[in-house]
Amino acid sequence: DSGVTQTPKHLITATGQRVTLRCSPRSGDLSVYWYQQSLDQGLQFLIQYYNGEERAKGNILERFSAQQFPDLHSELNLSSLELGDSALYFCASSVGSLPNEQFFGPGTRLTVL
Amino acid sequence: EDQVTQSPEALRLQEGESSSLNCSYTVSGLRGLFWYRQDPGKGPEFLFTLYSAGEEKEKERLKATLTKKESFLHITAPKPEDSATYLCAVQVDAGGYQKVTFGTGTKLQVIP
Repeated sequence: DSGVTQTPKHLITATGQRVTLRCSPRSGDLSVYWYQQSLDQGLQFLIQYYNGEERAKGNILERFSAQQFPDLHSELNLSSLELGDSALYFCASSVGSLPNEQFFGPGTRLTVL
Repeated sequence: EDQVTQSPEALRLQEGESSSLNCSYTVSGLRGLFWYRQDPGKGPEFLFTLYSAGEEKEKERLKATLTKKESFLHITAPKPEDSATYLCAVQVDAGGYQKVTFGTGTKLQVIP
C-alpha cells in the first residue's frame, strides 16, 4: 500500500458527460501528479500541483482541469468526455516539488460509452 | 522532443534465467532516471533512482545501471513473483520546472 488513495475505483459514463476523480496524497507529501494510462500510449503525465499551486503541465487537454485543495487532496475534472478518454487515471505524490520518487495510487478506471 | 524507448516490449524467462531490460533515452537536461514496477491493474511501484553515468543501485534480484545514453535493469535468477511490467522514466529540465517522461515498459513473464 503506497499510502495514496484514489476514488472512485471504477467509473462508467457516457460521451459528453463530466466526471471528477479524487486523490489524497501520502501524509506529508506536498506534490500531487496526475497521469493517464491507455493501452496504446503508456503512462502520460498530465499535470502536477505543489502545495496548492500548479507546478508543471504535461499533455493535459483543455477539457481537463485539476486543482489541489488546502488539505492537499486533489481533484481531476474531465468534461465533454469522448470515447478516447477511456483509460486508467493515476494519481501520484512526492514529498517535494521535484518529480523524484513518486508514490502511485491504485488508479481510477474510466470507461466512456 | 524527449524520447524514452524500452526494449524488449515483452520478455519471457524461465525461473532462474538471468537477463537484462534496456531503457534508452534521448533527452536534454537529464536530472534523473527512474525504474518502476507495475503489476496488472495497479499503480507503478518505485524501484530505483539513478542520477549520473556509472551509478548502480541494487535491490534483491534487481540491479539498475546508467550510462550517458541508456539504463539497464538486470534481473538475476528471477522468480515467478518478478513477473510484471517494468517502466523506465526520465526526469528532465523543462523551462523552469522538471517533468517526467515514461517509456512504454517491458512486460516480463517468469515461468516456473
